[in-house]
Amino acid sequence: NAGVTQTPKFQVLKTGQSMTLQCAQDMNHEYMSWYRQDPGMGLRLIHYSVGAGITDQGEVPNGYNVSRSTTEDFPLRLLSAAPSQTSVYFCASSFSGGPKETQYFGPGTRLLVL
Amino acid sequence: GENVEQHPSTLSVQEGDSAVIKCTYSDSASNYFPWYKQELGKGPQLIIDIRSNVGEKKDQRIAVTLNKTAKHFSLHITETQPEDSAVYFCAAGKWKNYGQNFVFGPGTRLSVLP
Repeated sequence: NAGVTQTPKFQVLKTGQSMTLQCAQDMNHEYMSWYRQDPGMGLRLIHYSVGAGITDQGEVPNGYNVSRSTTEDFPLRLLSAAPSQTSVYFCASSFSGGPKETQYFGPGTRLLVL
Repeated sequence: GENVEQHPSTLSVQEGDSAVIKCTYSDSASNYFPWYKQELGKGPQLIIDIRSNVGEKKDQRIAVTLNKTAKHFSLHITETQPEDSAVYFCAAGKWKNYGQNFVFGPGTRLSVLP
C-alpha cells in the first residue's frame, strides 16, 4: 500500500492563478479530508468527504472547491489563488470518518502564493 | 464551537527525562482525543488516542490522561530519546452528523537534547 499520496510536493503560484492539489489513497477508505497548516495554528479542516459523490465544508472552506468522483481520489481546487492561501496542505483518510477512526495523513503540499 | 489550547508551545528536555504536554478543550460533547507526532517535512502521524470513557492509556513510553470534568488531557513521554524530537499536536473530536469534526491544538515543538 502506498497509503495517502499527494502531488505536487511544492508549488508557487501568482495571485489569481488556479491549480488543483491532488490526493489519492489506496486503502479503500470512505472518508477523506483536506487540512491546511499555518504556523502557530495547528491544522484546520477545509473540506471533507464521506464517500464518492458526497462532500461537505469544514472550518475554513472559502476559496476552495472539492469533488469526490471516486473512492480513491479527492482533489482540492483553488480557483483564484490569494496570498492568504499560502500554507501547507495535508490530505487525510480513514475508514468511516467516525470520531474513533484513525486518520492517515499524506506528506503534504507546500503552497506559496505571490 | 470547539476550541483547543495546547501548552507549552516549545519544550526542551534532556535525553532520558520525561516530557509532558497539556491540552484543554471547550466542548463537553467531544469524546475522542488523539495525539499526533509530526516530523520535519512529513504529515502528522497518530501516536496514541483516548476515548471519553477512559481516564488513562499507556503504550510503552507514551501515556495519555484525560480529565473530562476539567476538560483537559495530557501527553506523557518517559525516558525521552532524540528521535522523540518533533512537533506534537493534540486534537478533540466528536461525531457530527456524518464525518469527523476534529479541532487541533496549535502544536508543541519538543526538542530532546543528547
